Formats: sequence, structure tokens, C-alpha cells
Amino acid sequence: LAKTTQPISMDSYEGQEVNITCSHNNIATNDYITWYQQFPSQGPRFIIQGYKTKVTNEVASLFIPADRKSSTLSLPRVSLSDTAVYYCLVGDMAGFQKLVFGTGTRLLVSP
Amino acid sequence: EAQVTQNPRYLITVTGKKLTVTCSQNMNHEYMSWYRQDPGLGLRQIYYSMNVEVTDKGDVPEGYKVSRKEKRNFPLILESPSPNQTSLYFCASSPLAGARETQYFGPGTRLLVL
Repeated sequence: LAKTTQPISMDSYEGQEVNITCSHNNIATNDYITWYQQFPSQGPRFIIQGYKTKVTNEVASLFIPADRKSSTLSLPRVSLSDTAVYYCLVGDMAGFQKLVFGTGTRLLVSP
Repeated sequence: EAQVTQNPRYLITVTGKKLTVTCSQNMNHEYMSWYRQDPGLGLRQIYYSMNVEVTDKGDVPEGYKVSRKEKRNFPLILESPSPNQTSLYFCASSPLAGARETQYFGPGTRLLVL
């Protein structure tokens, strides 16, 4: 499973766009990139997944450059309720069954 | 409602007193796993199970046991808890194994070992 590196924490204000980058230099050809969001005292929940280029859903966008060695989760116009920890997970279905979530990025959104 | 449930949600115990945290999912998922979450260390996988009677160690299995006798249940057993097992525990499940599968997490169990 590819090792990931994320910033430990980020601060933002309401209404701003937030971009959280995850580095995964040893990503394998079949690996997908998945982001999870965890609110305080809750279990993580799936946000978005992608393989290459750009993926967008109602919550976020995921940008993946051509070399796929990093990915950026973009949260448009954040609100206070976006304060959470965001985890980047890299791997595939046919690979290792063990999952490594890492330490995540703690995002604090202020008024 | 599709969900992963854990019990108990909060538990205070003493060193050496065996305890079990239950986990159950109603989505017919094959893959289930347990994590512990500690400040500054993120989510670390304890054990996982590919299917009934198939379990394997994650990154931090020491001091824990699991069993998978039924597809829906995956209990976490602490035979002799110690204070360093004080943590927040999450159970998760997914349709199949692998990082590409969406993981569905339970609400968590906060454990304090005195």
C-alpha cells in the first residue's frame, strides 16, 4: 500500500476554498486515491475517489496530476461544518488487504 | 438502514479484566476491520477479516484478538487490557477487501483502562 504524506493541520475561514494535498510518491499503477472525512467523535466517512485527472461530486473535487504522485482535495466555499480531519488513502482492490490511513489533516474553519 | 454498529460506545475498565467490543454490519459486507485512533497517530488498523473464519493482523495487533464466526459480526477482544490500550476504537466494513472499496465506519467505542 502506498505511503501517504499530508499536512498535519490547516486553517481557513468561512467562504474560502480549501485545498489539501496528499503526497504518494510510490503509488502503483492500479492504485486509486480515496479521501475520507471525520468529524469529532464520529467514524470517518467517504468523500471522493479518483484514479486520474479530475473528479467532482456534490461535496468536493479531487485533482490528480498526470504523474499521480500527489492529489489535491478541494473543498469549495467551506463552512464551519467542514471542520474535520481529512484522510487520504491510496491502494487498489487486488493489492494488500491491510489499510493504512495515516495521520490525516486537521482542518479548522473559523468565522 | 445500512449501518455498522458498535457496543458499548463507552467503557471504563481496569487492567487485566477481559473485555469484548462488539461490531455488527447489516450490509452483507465481506471485509471488516478494527482501528484504534490516538492523538497525533491517526487511524491505525488492528485486525482485518476478508470473510468468515479469515482474519489477519493489521499494523498494531499486539494485545488484541478477533474472531469472525458470522459474516455480520466481528468482535474485538482484549484478553488482558492495559492502560496503553486506552483509545478510541472504530470498526469498519466494506463490500470487498482493498483500498478502492468504500469503508463504512461505526460510531466508535471510547475505552479507558485504569
